[in-house]
Amino acid sequence: KAGVTQTPRYLIKTRGQQVTLSCSPISGHRSVSWYQQTPGQGLQFLFEYFSETQRNKGNFPGRFSGRQFSNSRSEMNVSTLELGDSALYLCASSLEVMRTEAFFGQGTRLTVV
Amino acid sequence: GESVGLHLPTLSVQEGDNSIINCAYSNSASDYFIWYKQESGKGPQFIIDIRSNMDKRQGQRVTVLLNKTVKHLSLQIAATQPGDSAVYFCAENQAGTALIFGKGTTLSVSS
Repeated sequence: KAGVTQTPRYLIKTRGQQVTLSCSPISGHRSVSWYQQTPGQGLQFLFEYFSETQRNKGNFPGRFSGRQFSNSRSEMNVSTLELGDSALYLCASSLEVMRTEAFFGQGTRLTVV
Repeated sequence: GESVGLHLPTLSVQEGDNSIINCAYSNSASDYFIWYKQESGKGPQFIIDIRSNMDKRQGQRVTVLLNKTVKHLSLQIAATQPGDSAVYFCAENQAGTALIFGKGTTLSVSS
């Protein structure tokens, strides 16, 4: 079956702009989580959605937001981009909330210039 | 705050050797501990997990050991192959909360 699909794979944005990233989970998976990966901070949890509801949230500013649709697809949005937002954004899906066997997509590489 | 960390950022081994990657954690309330492998250009891939009430679990060529007394987790890879070269992350999970990842150990396997 198809894995987790993230689009786009690469993005270049200018400071102050906003960006929307998309994640399609594995068919049948209802939980989608988002992580930010940087060389300095590693993998940091952003938020998790389950059945269109945010279940958990990490320690990121309000500029980072997300949502989940009825088909479990999820989007995350970053507004007023800063240079420090440059990172690999990873989406993970699992059958239920925060199960340990989460399946990750290849990520979206965001570069803010 | 509490977090999961790894002892060494890099580990270099010869093909065929056994590799041991270590991780220290601080949250004694965590229910699960997980190892992920991330190859260049890819997202992390689940390897194996272990519940907090276990001290050892084996998979295919991998063994995870959990020592709750010293809050230590290790991943042993038997007969390491070049394809095992990747960044390995340990993570912890408390029921209903997010996975917390350590910073990763880069395993380099030379033939």
